[in-house]
This record gives sequence, structure tokens and C-alpha cells, in this order.
Amino acid sequence: DAKTTQPTSMDCAEGRAANLPCNHSTISGNEYVYWYRQIHSQGPQYIIHGLKNNETNEMASLIITEDRKSSTLILPHATLRDTAVYYCIVRVPPRGNQGGKLIFGQGTELSVKP
Amino acid sequence: EAGVAQSPRYKIIEKRQSVAFWCNPISGHATLYWYQQILGQGPKLLIQFQNNGVVDDSQLPKDRFSAERLKGVDSTLKIQPAKLEDSAVYLCASSQENEQFFGPGTRLTVL
Repeated sequence: DAKTTQPTSMDCAEGRAANLPCNHSTISGNEYVYWYRQIHSQGPQYIIHGLKNNETNEMASLIITEDRKSSTLILPHATLRDTAVYYCIVRVPPRGNQGGKLIFGQGTELSVKP
Repeated sequence: EAGVAQSPRYKIIEKRQSVAFWCNPISGHATLYWYQQILGQGPKLLIQFQNNGVVDDSQLPKDRFSAERLKGVDSTLKIQPAKLEDSAVYLCASSQENEQFFGPGTRLTVL
């Protein structure tokens, strides 16, 4: 079962910041928080991941609380193309050179409106 | 860099028929995954390969589903015989380290 809880849906105005929350209260000390998104009729796309510290890349920022029980994905200036389902995933860490497993939940359906 | 390729993109079959999906991962990626995504749900891992060996197939319905990855590159997923509840999108992904790259998926409809 997925180890995260996300709102089912959210709306955001175009050009504004989209803040997507995620609860992961049972996260283990060595588990990472990953965010993926899935645009309609496409495969999921990696956005960002983090362990303890806040992270930023060209797509988004990830804010993780100090107790690591929740996080927020921030899209600083949402566009219509950001309309998608966003998945917050607590990842079982890789073992050696084997990729870690992703367990997807229901995700948050983000609608960016003009 | 070429992405993960999958074929066919769409398939319609009748129940009890057989079907096979093909995946070509990103060159050099050792780990390959097959996911099943039922409408309205997140993807569910069916099987994970490391090179040509199976790492995790705990969620694969082995009475009807099979997968192989010969030579550690391309992979095929087969369903025999198909049931109505197998209607879903079948996603293939590959990874080298932290990030999984997904293909566009194959949408299967079982009538």
C-alpha cells in the first residue's frame, strides 16, 4: 500500500504558485520522498526528490518538514501545461545497484485554470 | 537521448485471448519495470528486472501473466488468457540510478 496521503484534487490560477501537500507520517529514516506527475495519456514523469533538505530544480521546489512527516511540492509559476496528476511517493531505497521500487497512490489531480 | 519505447500503443482483444506487449528501455539502463495502471488509479508495479534477472514479481498474477527480458535489454509482457479486469494501461519504465523513465504505455481493452 502507498505510504502517502494527498488531496484528491486542487485548482490553481495560471501564473500563480501551486502548492501540493503530502503526508507521509510513517516514513523511515532512509526513505526518500519522490514526486512524479502524469499528464493525460502519457507515462509518469519524474519531477524531484529529497531526503531531509529542501530541494529545487528547474521544474519545482520540494519542502520537507523537519520531522519528515510531510512535504510540499511547489510549482512557482503554474502554466496550463502543468495540469496533471501529481504523485507523492515514499521510495524504498535501492539496494546496491538495483533500482528502488515506487509505490504509487491516487495522487492529486491539479487543474491550472486561465 | 531516445526514451522508453513501447508497442503497440493500443490493443483490443476478447476475453480468453492472449496478448503481448513489448518494451525497449533507454540504452544502458540495467533496471526495467512493468506497471499496470487501471483507470483512475496510480500505476501498480507488476515486475522488476535487473539486467535479465527478476528482482520483484510479488504483484504479478503468475497464473496468467508472464514477462521476460532476454539479453538484459528488451522485454515482453504476456497475458494468457486475458480477463475483463485486465483492461488497463501497461507502462514500462527503466532506470539507472535514482530516476525512473516511463514509456507512453499500451492501452489494453478486453471485451
